[in-house]
Amino acid sequence: DAGVIQSPRHEVTEMGQEVTLRCKPISGHNSLFWYRQTMMRGLELLIYFNNNVPIDDSGMPEDRFSAKMPNASFSTLKIQPSEPRDSAVYFCASRTLGTKSNEQFFGPGTRLTVL
Amino acid sequence: GDSVTQMEGPVTLSEEAFLTINCTYTATGYPSLFWYVQYPGEGLQLLLKATKADDKGSNKGFEATYRKETTSFHLEKGSVQVSDSAVYFCARQSGSARQLTFGSGTQLTVLP
Repeated sequence: DAGVIQSPRHEVTEMGQEVTLRCKPISGHNSLFWYRQTMMRGLELLIYFNNNVPIDDSGMPEDRFSAKMPNASFSTLKIQPSEPRDSAVYFCASRTLGTKSNEQFFGPGTRLTVL
Repeated sequence: GDSVTQMEGPVTLSEEAFLTINCTYTATGYPSLFWYVQYPGEGLQLLLKATKADDKGSNKGFEATYRKETTSFHLEKGSVQVSDSAVYFCARQSGSARQLTFGSGTQLTVLP
């Protein structure tokens, strides 16, 4: 099993540019999460999907952020326009719904730097 | 709302020292509890878990016991190694959809 795959691993962009982060969950998992990690705020849940449907996006910081999951094997997190304060590591995680243990499997993250 | 409070770091220990990282959670319902570990440059990995009161989770020499009476899930290891240097996150199950709420993380550095 390849695990959760995220791309790119590193992204450097200029303020105002559009940024798209990508995630491929573990095959067979039907729940997907996007997190943001910063020194100041720690690990924050941005949004999660069950069966490709967004369930809770209350953690999305503002309208500049959007996330989609067009199918069970792919999700994107888009920031448009990007700002320096969006610099962070963004993690994607997936799990199987209905399991008591509730374990989430994390990808390696995308380190975003907005200049 | 649901929350997890864990010991602030950083924690620096010598090899073979005893480790405790404290974690307490809000007592809403009967959540499953977790410890995740993040090695430098990597994503979080599940270290251990406990799904009900008095359960003890264990893995790689680490242990944590689900204490309902004190709403705690402290992480312990009897003899740490340099390779244990990482950030450790305590987490609890939350919400109707049982997503996870994470603590702020504790940076551990083990010196040879």
